[in-house]
Amino acid sequence: NAGVTQTPKFQVLKTGQSMTLQCAQDMNHEYMSWYRQDPGMGLRLIHYSVGAGITDQGEVPNGYNVSRSTTEDFPLRLLSAAPSQTSVYFCASRPIQGPQETQYFGPGTRLLVL
Amino acid sequence: AQSVTQPDIHITVSEGASLELRCNYSYGATPYLFWYVQSPGQGLQLLLKYFSGDTLVQGIKGFEAEFKRSQSSFNLRKPSVHWSDAAEYFCAVGGSGNTPLVFGKGTRLSVIA
Repeated sequence: NAGVTQTPKFQVLKTGQSMTLQCAQDMNHEYMSWYRQDPGMGLRLIHYSVGAGITDQGEVPNGYNVSRSTTEDFPLRLLSAAPSQTSVYFCASRPIQGPQETQYFGPGTRLLVL
Repeated sequence: AQSVTQPDIHITVSEGASLELRCNYSYGATPYLFWYVQSPGQGLQLLLKYFSGDTLVQGIKGFEAEFKRSQSSFNLRKPSVHWSDAAEYFCAVGGSGNTPLVFGKGTRLSVIA
């Protein structure tokens, strides 16, 4: 298993540009989520999904869109990037059911918005 | 709503000294609790987790944590710190069923000789 993969690893954008951060997992996990990490703020939840076709907002959803058309993929879209979205983004997945749920994290995407 | 508080932003300890990182949580039911570690520029690594049963949980790298329901705490401990333990440590709560995992803001650990 490749686990949770994220692309790209690093991206530079100009203000107003759009882009999609890709996240994929090959463990057939129902639950997937996106976090952003900023210094002194820990990891804050952006959006999450409990299965294909189902998404919900987290703590900091503004400026981000998501969709979940397949179990494997959970892309995060920035429609009009802003400098405040400069951050490190982590995708995660886990099974919903079972006694030993553990979150699997991707390696992260570093985004710089100029 | 669930939340996690890590009261210490930055802690400095001497190599070989003991360590305790504090974590307090707010959760409406029996919590699932986690400690993660992140070295500079790296991703997150799970140190240990508590789901149920024995309240003293052993993890990797010689870490342990104790769940205290009466104090809503899940403090991380290590009897003797190594220079390689310098990193940022995150406590997290939730993460079962449809419930998102919520993180604290982290504690940065520095280790001095």
